Amino acid sequence: DTGVSQDPRHKITKRGQNVTFRCDPISEHNRLYWYRQTLGQGPEFLTYFQNEAQLEKSRLLSDRFSAERPKGSFSTLEIQRTEQGDSAMYLCASSLDGIGNTIYFGEGSWLTVV
Amino acid sequence: AQSVTQLDSHVSVSEGTPVLLRCNYSSSYSPSLFWYVQHPNKGLQLLLKYTSAATLVKGINGFEAEFKKSETSFHLTKPSAHMSDAAEYFCVVSDMAYKYIFGTGTRLKVLA
Repeated sequence: DTGVSQDPRHKITKRGQNVTFRCDPISEHNRLYWYRQTLGQGPEFLTYFQNEAQLEKSRLLSDRFSAERPKGSFSTLEIQRTEQGDSAMYLCASSLDGIGNTIYFGEGSWLTVV
Repeated sequence: AQSVTQLDSHVSVSEGTPVLLRCNYSSSYSPSLFWYVQHPNKGLQLLLKYTSAATLVKGINGFEAEFKKSETSFHLTKPSAHMSDAAEYFCVVSDMAYKYIFGTGTRLKVLA
């Protein structure tokens, strides 16, 4: 199966530590998205890449958050100086170019900040 | 601006009875509409998608949805619920290249 994969699936970290999540999209997909989901809520858009270019960032993405997609393939999402409010599931998704294409999600990376 | 409203946060049905999960959307353009399902601690799986072809869309696991432009609705239905259908369901609208707006979700409970 060559779906979207995310690593790690679960991360527990102490407040103030940095964490990094990795996403490997479906290989032929040039678009990659990061979403955040908290309990009882729908996914909220964080950022989006077209190939290696980061084209849009949500206001939810504070300057403690940084995302990269260096060669237009895998992506990383780093959170610096984590806070308890960062506890959430971080979802990666990918799609082909164009309007209305299906976005395919990974299993998500759960972050718990203690 | 696009938006989506899922009218019920929780729905309970008995196994073998019909399922109806309601979704209304707002869009300035011709939208694409999706339903996704999320089982506990899992990612989201596409159930079905509407992109201006047939207004009645059939998806996986016996689900279908009807696009009604006049009512700005895209309700999800299934004739007969199964225990494995218990999950969270999200309605999604997109009328721009990268913007996919999610509803707040409907938790479906299936009673034995």
